[in-house]
Amino acid sequence: DTAVSQTPKYLVTQMGNDKSIKCEQNLGHDTMYWYKQDSKKFLKIMFSYNNKELIINETVPNRFSPKSPDKAHLNLHINSLELGDSAVYFCASSQYGSTEAFFGQGTRLTVV
Amino acid sequence: KNQVEQSPQSLIILEGKNCTLQCNYTVSPFSNLRWYKQDTGRGPVSLTIMTFSENTKSNGRYTATLDADTKQSSLHITASQLSDSASYICVVSLNSGGYQKVTFGTGTKLQVIP
Repeated sequence: DTAVSQTPKYLVTQMGNDKSIKCEQNLGHDTMYWYKQDSKKFLKIMFSYNNKELIINETVPNRFSPKSPDKAHLNLHINSLELGDSAVYFCASSQYGSTEAFFGQGTRLTVV
Repeated sequence: KNQVEQSPQSLIILEGKNCTLQCNYTVSPFSNLRWYKQDTGRGPVSLTIMTFSENTKSNGRYTATLDADTKQSSLHITASQLSDSASYICVVSLNSGGYQKVTFGTGTKLQVIP
């Protein structure tokens, strides 16, 4: 059973399109995150939700909109995709107060 | 400027050899430091966590050290195996407004060759 699962694993799309990445965790955690890993493999936090409420929103273009329908899901919608959005996006979860994050396998987004 | 710097950026070693990865941080106030291992095409997985009062912690062939005075940590891998080939990421946490804010290091890519 996958603890943190993301779909799709690969996503290739054209500039200007709108796309979504879904994330679900079955660990019973109350906090979920989206991270972006660039070509240099540097991980940077984008958003964090605790019990469906946004608690961290780093400097991310407002074309990126996270949505948390419940505390087990955190989806990421991206509007008007740009070439610079190409990266691997990781979803993660943790229990509030813990620094151990459990990561999904990542979604490799390629914008052409 | 990133507050967590790792060195070397990449490293190639022979199977069976030992190696040490370094992490220097300026994050303050410090809460804890965690080392993650990220296999190619996978998400990071936690190896160890160290708090302010801990100097060393082991997890199998992995041993992490922490010097909170100099703000340095190291991850020592003993008798390396091919499966140790991965990126190793140092993550430092601090308390910020009641929740833990984490800062990821730049990572060290380790390649173990036969």
